[in-house]
Amino acid sequence: QSALTQPASVSGSPGQSITISCTGTSSDVGGYNYVSWYQQHPGKAPKLMIYEVSNRPSGVSNRFSGSKSGNTASLTISGLQAEDEADYYCSSYTSSSPHVFGTGTKVTVL
Amino acid sequence: QVQLVESGGGLVKPGGSLRLSCAASGFTFSDYYMSWIRQAPGKGLEWVSYISSSGSTIYYADSVKGRFTISRDNAKNSLYLQMNSLRAEDTAVYYCARVDAARTAFDIWGQGTMVTVSS
Repeated sequence: QSALTQPASVSGSPGQSITISCTGTSSDVGGYNYVSWYQQHPGKAPKLMIYEVSNRPSGVSNRFSGSKSGNTASLTISGLQAEDEADYYCSSYTSSSPHVFGTGTKVTVL
Repeated sequence: QVQLVESGGGLVKPGGSLRLSCAASGFTFSDYYMSWIRQAPGKGLEWVSYISSSGSTIYYADSVKGRFTISRDNAKNSLYLQMNSLRAEDTAVYYCARVDAARTAFDIWGQGTMVTVSS
């Protein structure tokens, strides 16, 4: 199972909105509404930010939102803040194995 | 509070074995599927293995199939990963993660334990 494709890096200024894409196939992202997103700060464990494409766990800021179109899922961070600088990973259920992660995106706040 | 704590990592020679443990607390462990996920130094996340709440259903990534064995002891609220025939490419931080109730995401993560395979 190949990793889902994410841009290596995305940057934005404080207050701006940025969007991270996550591209898969009809066997994973496109076939199921089971895309999740994780935030990972350096040296820390990942944290669940979005599940089932667009749902936020309790305690996650509403500045984070998710969507999906075809084989591509997206994570949007609005009102970018310094604390949002981190690595972000998408994940999807797949037809061949329970889960696959994306390649990861480093978000830089300028 | 809900917590996962991994242990058992360390330095091992190629071809050697290691057993990782994950102690769960703050939730009914036996109600949840669990998973191991790893991250090589400077690299992305890689899903490794997955076990159902009863232990009857197990999946492995192709990269570890036949070498790693996942198991759990619900009486001890513990998850395990037996790693045999270790290779340099298995060097990584290994995270224990709880699979959410809908089995679609990893909602609780441990702090990770480092495994280094080197001669």
